[in-house]
Amino acid sequence: DVKVTQSSRYLVKRTGEKVFLECVQDMDHENMFWYRQDPGLGLRLIYFSYDVKMKEKGDIPEGYSVSREKKERFSLILESASTNQTSMYLCASSTDFQPQHFGDGTRLSIL
Amino acid sequence: EDKVVQSPLSLVVHEGDTVTLNCSYEVTNFRSLLWYKQEKKAPTFLFMLTSSGIEKKSGRLSSILDKKELFSILNITATQTGDSAIYLCARAGSARQLTFGSGTQLTVLP
Repeated sequence: DVKVTQSSRYLVKRTGEKVFLECVQDMDHENMFWYRQDPGLGLRLIYFSYDVKMKEKGDIPEGYSVSREKKERFSLILESASTNQTSMYLCASSTDFQPQHFGDGTRLSIL
Repeated sequence: EDKVVQSPLSLVVHEGDTVTLNCSYEVTNFRSLLWYKQEKKAPTFLFMLTSSGIEKKSGRLSSILDKKELFSILNITATQTGDSAIYLCARAGSARQLTFGSGTQLTVLP
């Protein structure tokens, strides 16, 4: 079974802090994704990566950056956290043309 | 814009009822249509549909795609309280990316 592991289930940070969300997958998938999920808005893609050191902007990349130094790990970085980034963050991985597999999510609160 | 629209946004039923969830999409670069179930945690994959008119079935759940009318439905028969979840529909327009709808919140009462 595919395992996608997100480092924290709940996280509380303050405005202006730099925040790191980590995601690790164990199935050698080339594609990894970061989404945020807000009530009534579904899942919105922030960034994705299709290879080590490669990244592509999704629909809402502003205020975020990502890092993929190893194939199994994809990090989402909030450079200077703001209250409007309070949300549920979901990581996923996949191979081409196959369904994405999701982690359990990180519920991030920015105070 | 690659919109995916789900309806209804929420639904409350009683155990034993049958429900139909709807998903419509825009046609740009369509490859497949996926359904996921999300309880408290990770969305879990249910179905991937690529061909019109071919029903996919898993237990009490089934789904079908209509590529001419650009929609899909997810049916759940004899609902149980364990079916309570958010059901997400997503369109694959490329080999990698998905565009998600806003989801349908299903609540099944005992």
